[in-house]
Amino acid sequence: QSVLTQPPSVSAAPGQNVTISCSGSSSIIGNNFVSWYQQLPGTAPKLLIYDNNRRPSGIPDRFSGSKSGTSATLGITGLQTGDEAVYYCGTWYSSLNAGGVFGGGTKLTVL
Amino acid sequence: QVTLKESGPALVKPTQTLTLTCTFSGFSLSTHGMRVSWIRQPPGTALEWLAHIDWDDDKFYSTSLKTRLTISKDTSKNQVVLTMTNMDPVDTATYYCARIPVIVDAFDYWGQGALVTVSS
Repeated sequence: QSVLTQPPSVSAAPGQNVTISCSGSSSIIGNNFVSWYQQLPGTAPKLLIYDNNRRPSGIPDRFSGSKSGTSATLGITGLQTGDEAVYYCGTWYSSLNAGGVFGGGTKLTVL
Repeated sequence: QVTLKESGPALVKPTQTLTLTCTFSGFSLSTHGMRVSWIRQPPGTALEWLAHIDWDDDKFYSTSLKTRLTISKDTSKNQVVLTMTNMDPVDTATYYCARIPVIVDAFDYWGQGALVTVSS
């Protein structure tokens, strides 16, 4: 069982918006930045969001992140069929030097 | 252009030691604040962080696997090596290496992954 809790699955129709939650303890999410990764079938994870809400170059602004207390949320607007993937949240145990931790992943189905 | 690529055996026997190499380009692990990490993913399951090594050779390991893991770097070859001892079938997974620049504090570039199967 992962230290960070994500819903196993979410689904929505193309064009709709969806949110994926990630919850953890105050010592983990509460004290650290959260990042989000997209893993398309058969590929390596790809960084979507870092520092809770910052997007790397090349990531469309349809993807957004937020954090409040011990929970973080990934938002995706204007869903496309190409967004169908597993999404993982990640952060650090107390600090980067204590090691990384990931959520269990959320499978997004675009109906 | 930043790239990372994992290499190593696709099949190991139980009790053997696994050695994986991450060969990267487009950055230097001698740059202040740079880190390279290893992460694995058993088939159909979630990501699991294993270890990372810093630009100044500090090393950090998963608490649950600490006794079995060793991470090292060869800056001149742009490589990071992970060894895992006493392999078991439950260690069957795709093993990824990924970069962590301190300004991002996340895994911003990943290798394609190397599937390692543990079986007799």
